[in-house]
Amino acid sequence: GEDVEQSLFLSVREGDSSVINCTYTDSSSTYLYWYKQEPGAGLQLLTYIFSNMDMKQDQRLTVLLNKKDKHLSLRIADTQTGDSAIYFCAEGKLIFGSGTRLLVRP
Amino acid sequence: DTEVTQTPKHLVMGMTNKKSLKCEQHMGHRAMYWYKQKAKKPPELMFVYSYEKLSINESVPSRFSPECPNSSLLNLHLHALQPEDSALYLCASSQGAGPYGYTFGSGTRLTVV
Repeated sequence: GEDVEQSLFLSVREGDSSVINCTYTDSSSTYLYWYKQEPGAGLQLLTYIFSNMDMKQDQRLTVLLNKKDKHLSLRIADTQTGDSAIYFCAEGKLIFGSGTRLLVRP
Repeated sequence: DTEVTQTPKHLVMGMTNKKSLKCEQHMGHRAMYWYKQKAKKPPELMFVYSYEKLSINESVPSRFSPECPNSSLLNLHLHALQPEDSALYLCASSQGAGPYGYTFGSGTRLTVV
């Protein structure tokens, strides 16, 4: 069945770049998504990428897609303490990864 | 209005109680979803309504009963829940196919005692 995997934890210093990785199994997904969840809150759609693209940039966010390896990454430039949250990748709109907890140290 | 509103934000109920969770959106989205999220876990899909009809039920126990009275409202009726049902219940809506993703509500934190 479909599966989406992420590393569980990432710690970076404020101002550095963060890279959160995700692998997925369903190659038929048309879109892949990144969501952010702050403590006690719902999920906020950060960005998405169409499956025939290999890169998308949106301000501080860069999404890279390697369709051959079924690997998706989210790079956050100039990471701020407000970026501390859990980040979920999702494919097919219905399958979420396990989430990566990003901790930004001052 | 670009939000999904869920009420109540917090709910504590006994195992013999009957309660309902409510979800509302006025974005004209025609698909609405219930998710269950346990601590430190990703959301798990429970139900999908498309055009007010139940289209997906992910083998959810019958003590959870969804209802979609109209295109803007989604309810989740709860009866005879177990302590392990304690979780954050998230509602989401989407326009359907396309790069829109989901718009999530902030959730109802449910505790079953």
